[in-house]
Formats: sequence, structure tokens, C-alpha cells
Amino acid sequence: NAGVTQTPKFQVLKTGQSMTLQCAQDMNHNSMYWYRQDPGMGLRLIYYSASEGTTDKGEVPNGYNVSRLNKREFSLRLESAAPSQTSVYFCASIDPGHTEAFFGQGTRLTVV
Amino acid sequence: RKEVEQDPGPFNVPEGATVAFNCTYSNSASQSFFWYRQDCRKEPKLLMSVYSSGNEDGRFTAQLNRASQYISLLIRDSKLSDSATYLCVVNILTSYGKLTFGQGTILTVHP
Repeated sequence: NAGVTQTPKFQVLKTGQSMTLQCAQDMNHNSMYWYRQDPGMGLRLIYYSASEGTTDKGEVPNGYNVSRLNKREFSLRLESAAPSQTSVYFCASIDPGHTEAFFGQGTRLTVV
Repeated sequence: RKEVEQDPGPFNVPEGATVAFNCTYSNSASQSFFWYRQDCRKEPKLLMSVYSSGNEDGRFTAQLNRASQYISLLIRDSKLSDSATYLCVVNILTSYGKLTFGQGTILTVHP
């Protein structure tokens, strides 16, 4: 039972490069999320998807795009990476009763 | 003002101590409340939900005061393995379940 699988675990990018973070869940959840975590800031919501085919901006969406490819997969794309996007990124899904969020293991991204 | 605020600590306590964490939230529409635990360089995981009547899970007790918009977590008889960051989480129930996280409180339990 994998839960939420997130790849890659580590990535170093040069400023201006692009990349896509992949996330998949096998719990049949409708709602999926992308967060970033910075020291002293807690987790901040980048984008979320309430269901397949829908996505919406969260608290800090600038510089990111997302795709909800199907019910299982929700990807996050950085089109032109900036040093300010150096962070730890977490994908999560939430159960239908909204009682528990399940997180992937995180992606540690460094933009130089 | 942040939607969810916690004392970031760090809290350094000896084994066996009792420690309490506090959290305040600003949105009165918040409907469910949680404490998550995050170990160093790991993902957050649910520790316990917080109910209006208060609830206990072993050495952990959570309290909610809706009138004051305040949540607390009490850990009794601290263990070395309790060392982690504790995240206060508030859910404003919508169709998608919006979870808002506090910045976390760092706890270190020492021998």
C-alpha cells in the first residue's frame, strides 16, 4: 500500500531551467494538494485539485503550474526556476471526510 | 495576521517532563482541527484530531476552545522519541478540504 508517491526526492536546478514534480496516490482520493515548506513558514499551499479535471490556486501559486492528469496523478511544474523556489515540496491527498491528509515523502529542490 | 499561529519554540525538555503547545487560529469558520507530527526531513503525519470535548490518546491530550479560537496539545511523560516538530492544522471545510498549517513547534526531549 504505497499511499502517496512523489518523485524525485532531490533535485538541483539552474536558474531558468524547468522541471515537473510528479505525484500519484492510490487511495482513490478526490482532493490533492501541492505545498511548499520553508524554514519558519510552515507548509504553504501552492495549488490544489478538488477533483479530476479541476485545479485552483492556493496561497503561493506564482511561478508554478499544475496538471491533474487523472484521479491518481497531480503534477507540479516549474517553467523557469528561480532561487526563491528553493524549498521542500510536498504532495498530499485528503480522504473524503477531510479528516486526514496523507503526504508524499517530499522533494528537496535547490535552485542555483 | 497568520491564519494559524504557533509558538515556534524550540522547547527543550528532559525525559519525563510534561510539555504543552498552544495554537491560535483566526478564521471563525474553521471546523476541524488537528495536530500533525513531522520528524526531521520527513513528511508530516497525523498525530491526532482535536474535538470540542477534548480528547486523549495515551500520553497526548488535545483541547479546543472555539470561543477563544485556541488549540492546545499536552504531552505527558515525554520520551526521547517525542522529539519532532508539531504542526497545528485547521480545516475550513469546503468541497476540497482546505488545510491550513501553523509554522510548527520544535520539541527536543533530552536524557
